[in-house]
Amino acid sequence: GNSVTQMEGPVTLSEEAFLTINCTYTATGYPSLFWYVQYPGEGLQLLLKATKADDKGSNKGFEATYRKETTSFHLEKGSVQVSDSAVYFCALSDPYSGGGADGLTFGKGTHLIIQP
Amino acid sequence: DGGITQSPKYLFRKEGQNVTLSCEQNLNHDAMYWYRQDPGQGLRLIYYSQIVNDFQKGDIAEGYSVSREKKESFPLTVTSAQKNPTAFYLCASSSTGGAYSNQPQHFGDGTRLSIL
Repeated sequence: GNSVTQMEGPVTLSEEAFLTINCTYTATGYPSLFWYVQYPGEGLQLLLKATKADDKGSNKGFEATYRKETTSFHLEKGSVQVSDSAVYFCALSDPYSGGGADGLTFGKGTHLIIQP
Repeated sequence: DGGITQSPKYLFRKEGQNVTLSCEQNLNHDAMYWYRQDPGQGLRLIYYSQIVNDFQKGDIAEGYSVSREKKESFPLTVTSAQKNPTAFYLCASSSTGGAYSNQPQHFGDGTRLSIL
């Protein structure tokens, strides 16, 4: 079956530090990959996506590249801000999973804390 | 603005009671989803619907029921058969599902259900 593995948190960084949150996946087909962000007490917001190998998704200074050879989709940002503090979820959508549920498969989430 | 509205924000259930969580979207999306979020476990799919009057079980459907009588509405009932219902419930929608599920999902702000 499909699965997504994210680095364990919480991840604590100082403002303006470089951020990497690792994400690797297992899928039977050709998945699309997503990063979502969740602020306290809220739902998830789409941060960026990539639908095929070597695609780079980017938004609000965050980037992630779809690496089929390493089955990875790591999230990066060059200079984080306090307002980036949230929980980040990596997810995949695999329409060819052969009878699997038609939703997203999520990682467990990485809690990011940015200190001023 | 278009979006997904979940209500209520907080809900309490007594033993042996069924409760219904509301989810309404005005995005004109065909597909809708219900997820359950538990601490440290990410999101798990309960039910999904790709079209009106049709829905499918997700990974953890036991103890839950849904209906899809209108395109914009996808209510979730947590029945008394669900022995551990305390969780944060998230509703989502996407423009299409199935083989085109590389479309991102849009999420509501969630309902937090607790047992009295």
